[in-house]
Amino acid sequence: QKEVEQNSGPLSVPEGAIASLNCTYSDRGSQSFFWYRQYSGKSPELIMSIYSNGDKEDGRFTAQLNKASQYVSLLIRDSQPSDSATYLCAVNLGGTASKLTFGTGTRLQVTL
Amino acid sequence: NAGVTQTPKFQVLKTGQSMTLQCAQDMNHNSMYWYRQDPGMGLRLIYYSASEGTTDKGEVPNGYNVSRLNKREFSLRLESAAPSQTSVYFCASSGTSGVLYEQYFGPGTRLTVT
Repeated sequence: QKEVEQNSGPLSVPEGAIASLNCTYSDRGSQSFFWYRQYSGKSPELIMSIYSNGDKEDGRFTAQLNKASQYVSLLIRDSQPSDSATYLCAVNLGGTASKLTFGTGTRLQVTL
Repeated sequence: NAGVTQTPKFQVLKTGQSMTLQCAQDMNHNSMYWYRQDPGMGLRLIYYSASEGTTDKGEVPNGYNVSRLNKREFSLRLESAAPSQTSVYFCASSGTSGVLYEQYFGPGTRLTVT
């Protein structure tokens, strides 16, 4: 079992729709959770961080955390073609606060 | 602020050659990291430095060495490059924000070993 799992996609959504990206993790001791966006040929860019159960909103992005079920999700409202990218979930496993383990990413395609 | 910078951007090596990848950050972060990214494998941690003067192995340290030169700079050395080290290498740094350690990435180095 992978420690941080994501569906590789591609996830295809029409422009203006809500994109829902999911991530599960193996370690109940994890405290910090991050979503990165990575365009092809570019470096990962941090878009959301969350550490409390519930929702955290920032503009069109909402991160949702459920520690009991060990999953974290990212919702993108009013999806735009510029949102087409790979989204990486990262988790600090094993209680080592400064180390992150990354999932392999979900590729999102927003279609016109 | 430049954030995290890496040099070089591209490099081609022959098997057995050595090289050092340079990384610097101007965000006054304590922690720095080296990752490699390969298709289908995601980002894998090679080495990290939680603070100046300390370094620790990550998931895939074999074939690499690191030096935390000072708080700003963290270098990655390949002593004898192998084709399996063909990859994209990213440096990252993090400070602290409460319980969060948000990592910020440099632009990457594309390395090809022939």
